[in-house]
Amino acid sequence: ETGVTQSPTHLIKTRGQQVTLRCSSQSGHNTVSWYQQALGQGPQFIFQYYREEENGRGNFPPRFSGLQFPNYSSELNVNALELDDSALYLCASSFPGMNTEAFFGQGTRLTVV
Amino acid sequence: ELKVEQNPLFLSMQEGKNYTIYCNYSTTSDRLYWYRQDPGKSLESLFVLLSNGAVKQEGRLMASLDTKARLSTLHITAAVHDLSATYSCAVGLQGRDDKIIFGKGTRLHILP
Repeated sequence: ETGVTQSPTHLIKTRGQQVTLRCSSQSGHNTVSWYQQALGQGPQFIFQYYREEENGRGNFPPRFSGLQFPNYSSELNVNALELDDSALYLCASSFPGMNTEAFFGQGTRLTVV
Repeated sequence: ELKVEQNPLFLSMQEGKNYTIYCNYSTTSDRLYWYRQDPGKSLESLFVLLSNGAVKQEGRLMASLDTKARLSTLHITAAVHDLSATYSCAVGLQGRDDKIIFGKGTRLHILP
């Protein structure tokens, strides 16, 4: 158990819809990163939130957006869903520094039909 | 742009054998991670390597880091079926966004 929880665990959406995924970070961690893992691939960095602000972004379009709340929990929002958005979405919490270790939640499996 | 390459991507081996997974990365980094992932599950942290020459061992797994060669290895000793999983290396970039870049993962299947 990493102390990082994600909800929901599974989700089916229709193309064009919008989805919100949630992540509660490990106690004491003020940084949350989101990753997309397509089937058979390694996780791809979407973006990171640090103290409620976006702190870096990977190669994902603007329809992927996020929020971080004062308690450091986070949301990932995806608008105008496409079939290729089907993936396992992982969040990781960490505390910045040289010995940073990121702890991952169990993931949300999103299927777009 | 930082790239992380693992090889092999697929590995099928007999129980009791030894093998090594290699992870090469393209840019100077200050930390390297190894994760285990079971099918449909999340990532379990195995090792964090922070300095040149670092070696860490846990059970039948041993990881090492050569920052000059930009190479990390994960060595499996006397493999057992329970070690069947996908093993991913990831490289950290300390900077504004402190992000981690993953390799594609090595799918390891250990035959009884």
